[in-house]
Amino acid sequence: RKEVEQDPGPFNVPEGATVAFNCTYSNSASQSFFWYRQDCRKEPKLLMSVYSSGNEDGRFTAQLNRASQYISLLIRDSKLSDSATYLCVVKGAIYSGGGADGLTFGKGTHLIIQP
Amino acid sequence: EPEVTQTPSHQVTQMGQEVILRCVPISNHLYFYWYRQILGQKVEFLVSFYNNEISEKSEIFDDQFSVERPDGSNFTLKIRSTKLEDSAMYFCASRPQQVHEQYFGPGTRLTVT
Repeated sequence: RKEVEQDPGPFNVPEGATVAFNCTYSNSASQSFFWYRQDCRKEPKLLMSVYSSGNEDGRFTAQLNRASQYISLLIRDSKLSDSATYLCVVKGAIYSGGGADGLTFGKGTHLIIQP
Repeated sequence: EPEVTQTPSHQVTQMGQEVILRCVPISNHLYFYWYRQILGQKVEFLVSFYNNEISEKSEIFDDQFSVERPDGSNFTLKIRSTKLEDSAMYFCASRPQQVHEQYFGPGTRLTVT
């Protein structure tokens, strides 16, 4: 069974601090990688895709290390509104049947930003 | 900004009954998905659908489940004979061609009693 592993936390972080999450995935054939955030009892919302070269979107930076099968997310200058569960998500070659389109989710890392 | 919509937001049903969960994907999207999330657990893939047929399904998606695109806008998930363990949030998602990112609807909370 192909899996995505994350530290569940919670991470309690003061407002304005920098926080980093990590994730590992087991299937080396995985093709696409994402971070989603999920608020309590809400749908996953796409935060950013993760590219091999690394990518940045405002206060958020994502990195991918294919050799180590490792994905990271860095949040700088954290805001109270960043409090959520951050889901590491992998796509590709997960299930039998020929398709490779379903997403495999980690259990998520719970982040609490404290004032 | 266009969004995936789902109805109903909450469905309560008795064990053994059939339920149909409805989704309206984003209008120019061609790939459609169903996922579920049991309370306190991770989001799990059920099925993907493209060009009016299932393209991939997980081991969760057994003979009790079916999907359909009955018209140009709706995408449905049917559970034929619900079990207690089917209680979960069911999320619909969609994406356009040549884009990997999937966009999720707000979910239907299914409670089987």
